[in-house]
Amino acid sequence: QKEVEQNSGPLSVPEGAIASLNCTYSDRGSQSFFWYRQYSGKSPELIMSIYSNGDKEDGRFTAQLNKASQYVSLLIRDSQPSDSATYLCAAYTGANSKLTFGKGITLSVRP
Amino acid sequence: DTEVTQTPKHLVMGMTNKKSLKCEQHMGHRAMYWYKQKAKKPPELMFVYSYEKLSINESVPSRFSPECPNSSLLNLHLHALQPEDSALYLCASSDRTGDNQPQHFGDGTRLSIL
Repeated sequence: QKEVEQNSGPLSVPEGAIASLNCTYSDRGSQSFFWYRQYSGKSPELIMSIYSNGDKEDGRFTAQLNKASQYVSLLIRDSQPSDSATYLCAAYTGANSKLTFGKGITLSVRP
Repeated sequence: DTEVTQTPKHLVMGMTNKKSLKCEQHMGHRAMYWYKQKAKKPPELMFVYSYEKLSINESVPSRFSPECPNSSLLNLHLHALQPEDSALYLCASSDRTGDNQPQHFGDGTRLSIL
């Protein structure tokens, strides 16, 4: 079974710190990776997509991809209490190209 | 607010009722998806429609019946549901199916089965 795995968390950081969220995947054929943010009781919101090795920055968010190590990460700089949410890593896996989600990690940013 | 609109936002129904969940997108996307999400779990794929045709059915029980009337609309017909079917039902869309297509989710319908 093709899997996407995230640290179980939760993760707690002080306001203004860098939050580092990690994800690994088992399907070497995966080419596309996504980070979703989900506030409690709400639906997942796409915040980053990454397709190539290296870093991709968007505002306070940086996604990092290392296909050789099968590793994806999301860095949130200058963390704010409003960043407190569950972050889901997702990748297309398998012959049917299903979007497979990790279990998610809950981030809490302390004021 | 999202560009994928789901109605109703909340639904409470008995096990003998028939109801439908609706999803609409106006982004010109040709792929639409139904997911089920239980509390503190990731979304689980149920169905995929590509160009208005069902392309993936993840062995979902027949009490869930999807329908795609046109490229902008996706319905999920519900009949004789069980209490364990209580969950958040999410609709998503993408430009097309396949790798590198980000999926955009609606706000979901929170379903409770009595």
